[in-house]
Amino acid sequence: DIQMTQSPSSLSASVGDRVTITCRASQGISNYLAWYQQKPGKVPKLLIYAASTLQSGVPSRFSGSGSGTDFTLTISSLQPEDVATYYCQKYNSAPFTFGPGTKVDIK
Amino acid sequence: QVQLVQSGAEVKKPGASVKVSCKASGYTFTSYGISWVRQAPGQGLEWMGWISAYNGNTNYAQKLQGRVTMTTDTSTSTAYMELRSLRSDDTAVYYCARDIVLMVFDPWGQGTLVTVSS
Repeated sequence: DIQMTQSPSSLSASVGDRVTITCRASQGISNYLAWYQQKPGKVPKLLIYAASTLQSGVPSRFSGSGSGTDFTLTISSLQPEDVATYYCQKYNSAPFTFGPGTKVDIK
Repeated sequence: QVQLVQSGAEVKKPGASVKVSCKASGYTFTSYGISWVRQAPGQGLEWMGWISAYNGNTNYAQKLQGRVTMTTDTSTSTAYMELRSLRSDDTAVYYCARDIVLMVFDPWGQGTLVTVSS
């Protein structure tokens, strides 16, 4: 099975900072990569799919890029409401594995 | 608006079964599949399986094969997930989620906590 890793596992940044999270697949998955945001005690929410397509209603400060094995999620200007754990997920083939998550908080 | 509403929390003994429901509204139920994802306390997300609401086809995670069954009732726009032979490590919040395209999930239900304890 393809394994998904994320780095860093956690980060602390200031409001307004540019934040980048990396997701890596152990084998190529083309652009079959989604990103989800899970705020503390809340339900996961889809942010991005097809590596770079922003889901409707998601603020434009979120963006995604990458293809093959290496992907990034970028928050261009971190806001207090972005405190959450972010998960990548591959969906090229079963099992549709999630990464271990990256916890983002405010410094 | 599209909404998935799940059944309430459950407490089960080891070896028992649990059946969680997920009632959909705000869209044509048979036009999308439903996946189930679980999250153990303080842990990440684990995909459990998928069911087509159109024809009932299923695709289960290999580690749960033989213990999980997913079904739908199109007359009530409800999906169900049954997990048998429960163990303590099945304690988790169980989510249903609509599959909008090739296993991309949006939205998610509110979650159902299943606690397995003797």
